[in-house]
Amino acid sequence: KNQVEQSPQSLIILEGKNCTLQCNYTVSPFSNLRWYKQDTGRGPVSLTIMTFSENTKSNGRYTATLDADTKQSSLHITASQLSDSASYICVVGSTLGRLYFGRGTQLTVWP
Amino acid sequence: NAGVTQTPKFQVLKTGQSMTLQCAQDMNHEYMSWYRQDPGMGLRLIHYSVGAGITDQGEVPNGYNVSRSTTEDFPLRLLSAAPSQTSVYFCASSLAGQGADTQYFGPGTRLTVL
Repeated sequence: KNQVEQSPQSLIILEGKNCTLQCNYTVSPFSNLRWYKQDTGRGPVSLTIMTFSENTKSNGRYTATLDADTKQSSLHITASQLSDSASYICVVGSTLGRLYFGRGTQLTVWP
Repeated sequence: NAGVTQTPKFQVLKTGQSMTLQCAQDMNHEYMSWYRQDPGMGLRLIHYSVGAGITDQGEVPNGYNVSRSTTEDFPLRLLSAAPSQTSVYFCASSLAGQGADTQYFGPGTRLTVL
């Protein structure tokens, strides 16, 4: 069964600290993996997209990694800011065109 | 570009009423889709379209209809609203829908069915 599992479900960190969010998937055949940021009351916004041949991609303070062999991805946030408080969603695309969404990790950054 | 726009932002319906959620994009994207987001669950695909005149069902299509008469617009119709359709609805678009195209989401419509 094609699934995307994210951990932790929620996370609280202090401003300025780093954190890493995890995503494990069983989607096959694999095409791409995306990370989205969703602020409360807003639509998701794309952070990174990685294909099979890419194992890391950065977008400012956000760095995503992909291990296609173990079917794992992580999103590392450096020097967190209050504006990083949001839900982070891992999405895996199959070569058949279907997208599979994780339930998200709710990140709260405290001052 | 306005990107993906959705109206209304909020809506309250009574059971059995019908309504249409509007979605428009000005990026000339071929692929458009509708999702619903419920607490504790990932986004679930309702219907999608790969171009004008072409629509198909997603994961949870029951109770919803769509049409795609133009590239820009992709309205979602609730035929007879039920409390189970209380949710936040997101419209999204991308260039082609295949491969690693960036998907752009609208701001969402929060629907409550009493």
